Amino acid sequence: EDQVTQSPEALRLQEGESSSLNCSYTVSGLRGLFWYRQDPGKGPEFLFTLYSAGEEKEKERLKATLTKKESFLHITAPKPEDSATYLCAVQRGEYGNKLVFGAGTILRVKS
Amino acid sequence: GAVVSQHPSRVICKSGTSVKIECRSLDFQATTMFWYRQFPKKSLMLMATSNEGSKATYEQGVEKDKFLINHASLTLSTLTVTSAHPEDSSFYICSARPLGTGGKLFFGSGTQLSVL
Repeated sequence: EDQVTQSPEALRLQEGESSSLNCSYTVSGLRGLFWYRQDPGKGPEFLFTLYSAGEEKEKERLKATLTKKESFLHITAPKPEDSATYLCAVQRGEYGNKLVFGAGTILRVKS
Repeated sequence: GAVVSQHPSRVICKSGTSVKIECRSLDFQATTMFWYRQFPKKSLMLMATSNEGSKATYEQGVEKDKFLINHASLTLSTLTVTSAHPEDSSFYICSARPLGTGGKLFFGSGTQLSVL
């Protein structure tokens, strides 16, 4: 069974304090790994897609990386507006339409 | 980017009534849409896959008679929670995948359902 585990569950950072979020996955035939940002009471907002080990994507203060077993979302010099829940999801090759989500990491950045 | 509109954003209803939630793809056609349910501080759980012009595919454990899905056009899918009960209270989110986006899902803004 496909599994996605995110850690930590919650993370508090001071503004400017860089850190990383982890997404460990177990899936047969990974087709893609996705990162989303979700604000309270809203639907998830797409951030990145990673397809193969070694791939990296960047967007402003965020950088996503992928290995064969996990993905990291690195946050460099975060700002309070980066506070949100970050969700990781995997797409399995055999069932291309489905995404399996992790429980997310709640990030709080204090000024 | 692609826009998925979901309505209403919040609904409060009495136990035993039915509630309809609409999901529209505004700038692309979607032959398939997905309905998720999310509990507080929990992950998104896929409920069903909505297929235009045919029956929806439900995930294991999801009651198809409780959660009616209709995908009558290439831009509209609806989820009706029938005979709602307090345990149906949750955050419901729809999503769709435009062609050529490499599997990327775009989500609606969600509907918070509260059943009294």
